[in-house]
Amino acid sequence: GAVVSQHPSWVICKSGTSVKIECRSLDFQATTMFWYRQFPKQSLMLMATSNEGSKATYEQGVEKDKFLINHASLTLSTLTVTSAHPEDSSFYICSASPSGMGSSYEQYFGPGTRLTVT
Amino acid sequence: RKEVEQDPGPFNVPEGATVAFNCTYSNSASQSFFWYRQDCRKEPKLLMSVYSSGNEDGRFTAQLNRASQYISLLIRDSKLSDSATYLCVVNKAAGNKLTFGGGTRVLVKP
Repeated sequence: GAVVSQHPSWVICKSGTSVKIECRSLDFQATTMFWYRQFPKQSLMLMATSNEGSKATYEQGVEKDKFLINHASLTLSTLTVTSAHPEDSSFYICSASPSGMGSSYEQYFGPGTRLTVT
Repeated sequence: RKEVEQDPGPFNVPEGATVAFNCTYSNSASQSFFWYRQDCRKEPKLLMSVYSSGNEDGRFTAQLNRASQYISLLIRDSKLSDSATYLCVVNKAAGNKLTFGGGTRVLVKP
């Protein structure tokens, strides 16, 4: 089956520093990857759609200068949380949609990255 | 109004019993529907897609009612391992974006 990995699985950083999270599709190519954030006892909220070779599309209310997304290849997208603050502490999850699946909307999720900003 | 709404539960279910719950969605142009399962502090995992004619996968049955804009999930012969949060997921009409409901928590007890 389709496997998506994320690294790191958890990270603790100090306020004001930047953190990079990697999302990789291991056995398929993904033209599109998605970044979500989930706060405790809440559902997943889409932050941005990452397209290989082009700029990411951010959802309303998500600061593009704070959450930098790079999708440099068909198997890798990165999310960098810049100048992190305690309110950025959350569970960040990526997903990938296999290229060439036509009208299929299936997405495969990474295991998530738990970020704690102190 | 939220785009996808679910009863948060928890639904306390005796082992072996049947449980069913619904999800409503607001965008009538939504095209694809899914149920995902999420265990505590883990990523969501696809449980099943939901088709217009309804579909079954083992002990799980999903139904779609486009006229009333709701989908349902029924779990028969509940197992302890079915305890999880079940996320109703709908694709937005444009592109491949998914919208998640808040989840319904199910607790199966011996």
